[in-house]
Amino acid sequence: GQQVMQIPQYQHVQEGEDFTTYCNSSTTLSNIQWYKQRPGGHPVFLIQLVKSGEVKKQKRLTFQFGEAKKNSSLHITATQTTDVGTYFCAARGSSGSARQLTFGSGTQLTVLP
Amino acid sequence: KAGVTQTPRYLIKTRGQQVTLSCSPISGHRSVSWYQQTPGQGLQFLFEYFSETQRNKGNFPGRFSGRQFSNSRSEMNVSTLELGDSALYLCASSLGQTSGRAGGEQYFGPGTRLTVT
Repeated sequence: GQQVMQIPQYQHVQEGEDFTTYCNSSTTLSNIQWYKQRPGGHPVFLIQLVKSGEVKKQKRLTFQFGEAKKNSSLHITATQTTDVGTYFCAARGSSGSARQLTFGSGTQLTVLP
Repeated sequence: KAGVTQTPRYLIKTRGQQVTLSCSPISGHRSVSWYQQTPGQGLQFLFEYFSETQRNKGNFPGRFSGRQFSNSRSEMNVSTLELGDSALYLCASSLGQTSGRAGGEQYFGPGTRLTVT
């Protein structure tokens, strides 16, 4: 396996403010995925990034994969109360045991109305 | 398609007992992964099975084991339960691809909440 660092651990924002969570690996990744887990629920797949420098958007969510394929970010513009939950990145390495999916520790987002 | 199902949803066991959890993946998915989720440790990878073979294993003691059947259904077993095994156990299925654009995303079941007393 590999180590995947995700920051921040917690984030409280006022509704309408932006939010960003970051994921970092010490090794080059094959791809990275993002999941959202609502309180009391299970993780739900959001997106997968594969290419160096890739940027993908889903409505107010923007996902980026770093040029070196070692880091990624999820940015939410103008948060809403429906964005509440924990956001996880999940990284897959390039070879051997690193090919297993390793989850970051998650960023728990609270949106204050 | 029906989603990933896990049984039972809730379980209370006593220290020293053993437990078996079951997971039925999405039809057509050949990979099943198991995770342990606790408030302090996040999502910890237990193991992954693909076509009845264990493809990857996390850093858990040998008390944790699993298997996959020919219909892709999977079970995980925990023997000699300890208080620290109390957690939400999540199963996730996928097509099994580990590279490229398609097939790598995981679909999680609702989990089994295990409480060890």
